[in-house]
Amino acid sequence: DAKTTQPTSMDCAEGRAANLPCNHSTISGNEYVYWYRQIHSQGPQYIIHGLKNNETNEMASLIITEDRKSSTLILPHATLRDTAVYYCIGTGTASKLTFGTGTRLQVTL
Amino acid sequence: GAGVSQTPSNKVTEKGKYVELRCDPISGHTALYWYRQSLGQGPEFLIYFQGTGAADDSGLPNDRFFAVRPEGSVSTLKIQRTERGDSAVYLCASSETGGQKDTQYFGPGTRLTVL
Repeated sequence: DAKTTQPTSMDCAEGRAANLPCNHSTISGNEYVYWYRQIHSQGPQYIIHGLKNNETNEMASLIITEDRKSSTLILPHATLRDTAVYYCIGTGTASKLTFGTGTRLQVTL
Repeated sequence: GAGVSQTPSNKVTEKGKYVELRCDPISGHTALYWYRQSLGQGPEFLIYFQGTGAADDSGLPNDRFFAVRPEGSVSTLKIQRTERGDSAVYLCASSETGGQKDTQYFGPGTRLTVL
């Protein structure tokens, strides 16, 4: 699995876009980039995933650089309910997910 | 539809005791995973089932930990001779078929406390 690097913490004002970066410079050509988040005392929640192209769903957008060495998760209009730890994961050939310590996003009024 | 469910939500036991943790995956999902999450850390993989068989048990820390999935649906994680270091949240996830393109959906976890 690719090693991923994320900032330890970030703040975002409610209503603004939250842009969470992830570095995955060792990612191989067939590895997907997955994003999960974990709200306090809950199980991880799937957000979005992608391989090469940018992706968008009802929760977020995922922008992957052309060289695939990094990506950014965008929450377009952050709310207080988006306060959570966000994990960026590069999947390998194995089925298991390898979580790091993630980015703690704090959304404030 | 119903998501992944885990029981109990909390389990307190004494050092040396045996515990069983249960996971009910999403109906129809053939792949099932167990993870363990210690305070302040991300979840760590324990074991992955494809149907009834353990396809990857490389994350089980030692032989006190064992998991079964006899009918390819519900799974039980069993911990013998519990130690204080086993205290953690145990998470279960399931996915439709397994593999890196298949999204895993997590349950709420079981918080295990070993006194």
